[in-house]
Amino acid sequence: GQNIDQPTEMTATEGAIVQINCTYQTSGFNGLFWYQQHAGEAPTFLSYNVLDGLEEKGRFSSFLSRSKGYSYLLLKELQMKDSASYLCASMDSNYQLIWGAGTKLIIKP
Amino acid sequence: GAVVSQHPSWVICKSGTSVKIECRSLDFQATTMFWYRQFPKQSLMLMATSNEGSKATYEQGVEKDKFLINHASLTLSTLTVTSAHPEDSSFYICSATQDKQAYEQYFGPGTRLTVT
Repeated sequence: GQNIDQPTEMTATEGAIVQINCTYQTSGFNGLFWYQQHAGEAPTFLSYNVLDGLEEKGRFSSFLSRSKGYSYLLLKELQMKDSASYLCASMDSNYQLIWGAGTKLIIKP
Repeated sequence: GAVVSQHPSWVICKSGTSVKIECRSLDFQATTMFWYRQFPKQSLMLMATSNEGSKATYEQGVEKDKFLINHASLTLSTLTVTSAHPEDSSFYICSATQDKQAYEQYFGPGTRLTVT
């Protein structure tokens, strides 16, 4: 079956660094996505990885290891506005996104 | 660019009535649109995929006669929840792509449906 696993909730301190892990099992693979979702709002695109390695985009970086079915999202210099849910999604062979349940990130001052 | 709108942003309706939600791509042609449902503290659940001019493909467990999807043009898809019940109360989100194989989906802002 298809499955995406990520932690339910994480807490971090403002200004610190946090890593959100995601493991995936999908029928075929056409890339791994990370989205940010604030409460009551639709998801917004953060990153896309289809090749192994680290993609850096400002304070956010995303890593992929296809052989391990593993990805992480790294957030640096955390700000209070980064408090949100972070959704990991894998695109399967039919170009359909399989979503994780999301990781609620709580930032404390 | 790549803006998707939804209307209404929130709606309250009585049990047994029908509600229509519109999803529009404002600055691009969306050959494929997706409809999701999200319950509180849960992940996005894909309900159906619609391609312009053809019938929607529904996910297992989603009643196609209850959730009517019409993708009549390259910029508009509608979801009609028929004979709504309180358990249909949820956050409904659409997304659109320019191509079925495009890697990025552009999401609408979502519609909060409450059935009383």
